[in-house]
This record gives sequence, C-alpha cells and structure tokens, in this order.
Amino acid sequence: DGGITQSPKYLFRKEGQNVTLSCEQNLNHDAMYWYRQDPGQGLRLIYYSQIVNDFQKGDIAEGYSVSREKKESFPLTVTSAQKNPTAFYLCASRRGTGRNQPQHFGDGTRLSIL
Amino acid sequence: DQQVKQNSPSLSVQEGRISILNCDYTNSMFDYFLWYKKYPAEGPTFLISISSIKDKNEDGRFTVFLNKSAKHLSLHIVPSQPGDSAVYFCAASALRGGSQGNLIFGKGTKLSVKP
Repeated sequence: DGGITQSPKYLFRKEGQNVTLSCEQNLNHDAMYWYRQDPGQGLRLIYYSQIVNDFQKGDIAEGYSVSREKKESFPLTVTSAQKNPTAFYLCASRRGTGRNQPQHFGDGTRLSIL
Repeated sequence: DQQVKQNSPSLSVQEGRISILNCDYTNSMFDYFLWYKKYPAEGPTFLISISSIKDKNEDGRFTVFLNKSAKHLSLHIVPSQPGDSAVYFCAASALRGGSQGNLIFGKGTKLSVKP
C-alpha cells in the first residue's frame, strides 16, 4: 500500500540531546513537509522540500534541521537548541509543486522530554 | 496574525442532522482551500478541497462552499454520523505570491456527533 510512514510513534528526549524523526513515503511525491502541532493549535510549518537536495525553512524552523538526500525520505532532527520540543510532529507529502494538490499526512510522532 | 481562522473551537450535533463548520481567511491571494479531518494521535486525513474559481464542491455527504467576497468557507456534512466526530481543520494556500502553495491551517473545530 502506498503511504507515508513516520517512526517512531512515540519518542522521548533527554535534555541536551538531539533526536531524529523519520519520514518515508512511497507515493513518488515530489514535495515533503514537516509540521508541529501543539494542543489547541493548528499545524505550523517547520521545514519543507520541493525537490531532492533542496529544502526551505517554514514558520518555526529554529532548533530544527532536515535533509532530503532521497526523494522518498525527509528526516527531521530536533536539536538541543529547540527549547520547547514537546509536541506532535507530522510529516506530509504532495505530488507536484506547480499546481494545487492536497497534502497527505503520516500518523505522526509524539515527542516528549524526560 | 492568523490568516485562517476557525472561530468555533467545538460543535455538537445530533446524529442525522447537518453539521456546518466555518472558516474565515484574510489573505486575498489564497486560491485553494481544503478541509482535513483528524482523530486523536493520528495524522489529518484529506476530506475535500475547492479552487477559488468555484463556489461549491460536493463529495458524498460533504460539501464545501466558498464565498470569496466574504472571505469565508464552510463545510457541510449531511447527514452527520457518530464516526464524523473528530477535529476538522480548514487550510488555504496560494500558488502565486512566493508562498509556493504551502498550506496555512486554522486551529481546528472539534465536532461531536451524538447518537
């Protein structure tokens, strides 16, 4: 089945530690996105990538980093510089970039601080 | 400043009746609007979308209406079912203007459909 796979589903981070969230898609989509959701809030864009080896900062990129070495993979690293990392992280992808298309989401990773 | 607003945090409807979820936006460059449904601890699921060249789009029990002059869209669910109970997010994007079609989300409305 085609889809977007995020792992792990739950992740715990110690103070001062970097952690990496995985996002893989087999939909052959060009664009991929990372969002953060906090309670009672909408989704806020962290980073996005329209093409392999290229990515752009979203609205809340500070304390995060990404890479896009392969079309199907877009891992997100939450660095120790992110002071409030506890949130629900969602990865999404979209087929094309030149026309209006919906984004499709994975099932998310919940990150908590120990 | 919120560009997409869902002013009702929650809505309760009786099974079989109509659910109407509302969304307002401020950016006149938005040309594509979407509704997503989200269950707890899951990712949002795409429901229905509408382009700014239309004022209505229908898919089964779901209809989205767009009023560009009022910068307002609504999602109608008829008839409502208990399985529709979820958080609904409105989102908008603009292909022009440098935003590259990125989605801007509202804060969501929690719909409860009571049997």
